Amino acid sequence: EAAVTQSPRSKVAVTGGKVTLSCHQTNNHDYMYWYRQDTGHGLRLIHYSYVADSTEKGDIPDGYKASRPSQENFSLILELASLSQTAVYFCASSPRGAQDTQYFGPGTRLLVL
Amino acid sequence: QQQVRQSPQSLTVWEGETAILNCSYEDSTFDYFPWYRLFPGESPALLIAIRPVSNKKEDGRFTIFFNKREKKLSLHITDSQPGDSATYFCAASDNYAQGLTFGLGTRVSVFP
Repeated sequence: EAAVTQSPRSKVAVTGGKVTLSCHQTNNHDYMYWYRQDTGHGLRLIHYSYVADSTEKGDIPDGYKASRPSQENFSLILELASLSQTAVYFCASSPRGAQDTQYFGPGTRLLVL
Repeated sequence: QQQVRQSPQSLTVWEGETAILNCSYEDSTFDYFPWYRLFPGESPALLIAIRPVSNKKEDGRFTIFFNKREKKLSLHITDSQPGDSATYFCAASDNYAQGLTFGLGTRVSVFP
């Protein structure tokens, strides 16, 4: 069974503060993704990575940075959190990219006040 | 502009009925169409997927019908069960490197 874990599972942050969301996978997958889910917007791709030490911008990268220090770990960083970044964030991994099964983590519920 | 559109936004059916979820897309280069299911409080999980070389894909009670010319597809859930109540996302991809482009989802409620 594929395993993707995220931490924290929920977080309250203040506007202008820095937030780091972490994702860890034990699947030995090359591809990892960060999506956000909002009511009325479905799931949208923020950043992705297909190899350690490299990240790529997705569809909505503004206001977010990503870091892939190892194959297993993929972080999403909000340098200056804003109210509009309140959402549920899902991390996913995939063995062969977007056209293969993506295995999602449990999600992180972020509330920015 | 939404690249992947889903309708209806929500759908209620009785147990045993067939639920029909619709999806359409803009980009002709999309060549992989998965459906993900999301139960409240859980993670999205792949339900079934189709590539344009086929116009139908079946897996148990779940069937995708695909119309490449009209850029439309639909997910049919036959003999719907209360346990099928969830949000269903249609998604699309055009290469292996990018992530998926998701629709807004259809919330399905199945009443006994």
